[in-house]
Amino acid sequence: SAVISQKPSRDICQRGTSLTIQCQVDSQVTMMFWYRQQPGQSLTLIATANQGSEATYESGFVIDKFPISRPNLTFSTLTVSNMSPEDSSIYLCSARGGGVKDRYNEQFFGPGTRLTVL
Amino acid sequence: KQEVTQIPAALSVPEGENLVLNCSFTDSAIYNLQWFRQDPGKGLTSLLLIQSSQREQTSGRLNASLDKSSGRSTLYIAASQPGDSATYLCAVFGGATNKLIFGTGTLLAVQP
Repeated sequence: SAVISQKPSRDICQRGTSLTIQCQVDSQVTMMFWYRQQPGQSLTLIATANQGSEATYESGFVIDKFPISRPNLTFSTLTVSNMSPEDSSIYLCSARGGGVKDRYNEQFFGPGTRLTVL
Repeated sequence: KQEVTQIPAALSVPEGENLVLNCSFTDSAIYNLQWFRQDPGKGLTSLLLIQSSQREQTSGRLNASLDKSSGRSTLYIAASQPGDSATYLCAVFGGATNKLIFGTGTLLAVQP
């Protein structure tokens, strides 16, 4: 299976600032994703991070607010810009299409970044 | 639009009991279905992956079945333990959307 790490694991930020979250996968993967999970709720897909091109955003999420980079097949960043208290959530990086052959179609998740905006 | 529902939303059982978690989805055109476990404040751990051509998968005390035509999956946990306490999520990966759609989750508490 693919092992995914995220940095930072948690942060407390002031309103109006930006935070960049890093995601590193231990093997090359075809697809990387960013999710948000608000307290007590299930996961919401923010965007698919495309290697070498602009990310594909889901309805309700825009590039100016959540710029994403994916410079190679193992690394991606998500920036939460101009933060407000409503952005307080857990942000999760996810990947599929990598690792050992029999788990190629399996999707894996990082440990998450717990963000609190004051 | 694919919708995934899990029943029950919460479940509390005594240690040692066998239990079944249910997942249903509205669009049967899926590539695969995954069951995940999430501990409070943590990321997701993949438990089982069932391809659309498969009927079930087993890992230790866990057994997941898939009936694609009826849009249903079940996760069977044998001889439950307090360490099994977590939220269990099912998710389907569909052909139309090429992304993982999550269910609403079942919060499981196993009492010692």
